[in-house]
Amino acid sequence: QKEVEQDPGPLSVPEGAIVSLNCTYSNSAFQYFMWYRQYSRKGPELLMYTYSSGNKEDGRFTAQVDKSSKYISLFIRDSQPSDSATYLCAKAQRGYQKVTFGTGTKLQVIP
Amino acid sequence: DTAVSQTPKYLVTQMGNDKSIKCEQNLGHDTMYWYKQDSKKFLKIMFSYNNKELIINETVPNRFSPKSPDKAHLNLHINSLELGDSAVYFCASSQPPTDRLTNYGYTFGSGTRLTVV
Repeated sequence: QKEVEQDPGPLSVPEGAIVSLNCTYSNSAFQYFMWYRQYSRKGPELLMYTYSSGNKEDGRFTAQVDKSSKYISLFIRDSQPSDSATYLCAKAQRGYQKVTFGTGTKLQVIP
Repeated sequence: DTAVSQTPKYLVTQMGNDKSIKCEQNLGHDTMYWYKQDSKKFLKIMFSYNNKELIINETVPNRFSPKSPDKAHLNLHINSLELGDSAVYFCASSQPPTDRLTNYGYTFGSGTRLTVV
């Protein structure tokens, strides 16, 4: 079992929809949670970053962490075709300079 | 001005050859990484260097040898290439957080697409 699991998709939504991307993890020692966005043939770029449980909002994006159920989510409001990409959730443990990535969910926003 | 740059972007080579990939970062980060991304987009760490010192060495065949001449450069040399080595190899850099409010994110290069034929 991988430490971080994501549904690979692809997930297709119409423009303007609310998108929910989810991730589960197995190691409760993780404290830092991140979402990366990767466009085709590009490197991943950091989108959102949270520490411990709770919500964090940045524009149209909201990251949510539920440590009790080891579940993290990324919500995208008013989705745009430019949001079409693969979204990777990632976890890290304080004191360890290693980030563990999920398998990624491919999102397509249709105009 | 590119933050993390990798060369070459594409590499097509025959089985059995030896090849190198180079990475440079101008962010002043202390830590650099090599990740391998397979055809299913799964990113797996291979190596990490902190200020020229190897700190992470995952289960990788010893045909792969990283080298960090200084903290801004991290190279990857691969001997006796095999078909299964075909993947996209990403270099990344980061600065370890000093507290829980500090960004723990990596900055990635644009990748080297290696095809072994």
